[in-house]
Amino acid sequence: DIQMTQSPASLSASLGETVTIECLASEDIYSNLAWYQQKPGKSPQLLIYYANSLNDGVPSRFSGSGSGTQYSLKINSLQSEDVSIYFCQQNYDSPYTFGAGTKLELK
Amino acid sequence: QIQLVQSGPELKKPGESVKISCKASGYTFTDYAMHWVKQAPGKGLKWMGWINTYTGKPTYADDFKGRFVFSLEASASTANLQISNLKNEDTATYFCARETMGITTSYFDYWGQGVMVTVSS
Repeated sequence: DIQMTQSPASLSASLGETVTIECLASEDIYSNLAWYQQKPGKSPQLLIYYANSLNDGVPSRFSGSGSGTQYSLKINSLQSEDVSIYFCQQNYDSPYTFGAGTKLELK
Repeated sequence: QIQLVQSGPELKKPGESVKISCKASGYTFTDYAMHWVKQAPGKGLKWMGWINTYTGKPTYADDFKGRFVFSLEASASTANLQISNLKNEDTATYFCARETMGITTSYFDYWGQGVMVTVSS
């Protein structure tokens, strides 16, 4: 199985700051990487697919990058509504494993 | 608009069974695979497997072989998850998620609201 190591586990940032969350795959996943945002008590929502493609309706302050085994999600100009847990997922090979999540809070 | 609407919360005893549903609307049900994802309280997401909504063929992740069954009521655009011989560790929220296939990749673009299953004696 492909292991997804996500970091940091938690992150505290101020409004307007830029934050970066990283995901490391245990083998090359050829950009088959998605990022999801999950707010408390809600279902995950797709932010980014294929490492850097923004899903429809997602604000442009979110961006994804990376290739091979290393990927990152960047949030520019942090807004209060961005407080959530963020998960990466590889969909290159079954089982489609998720990272453990990053809890983003406001400082 | 596209929606996945899941059934309501369940409270079960160990050893019982539960069947939860995921009704799709706003698109052609058989054009998109349906996946199932488990989230234990306060924990991360765990992929359980998927069902081909055209053929009905299920595929299970290793940890979900045996007591877990994915099925369809295609005429009702509904996917079901049945868990038998429930254990305390099955206490979790279960999500269905639609998979969209792009040219080079796939992703889960729509999710149900989740069903909380509580197993307690």
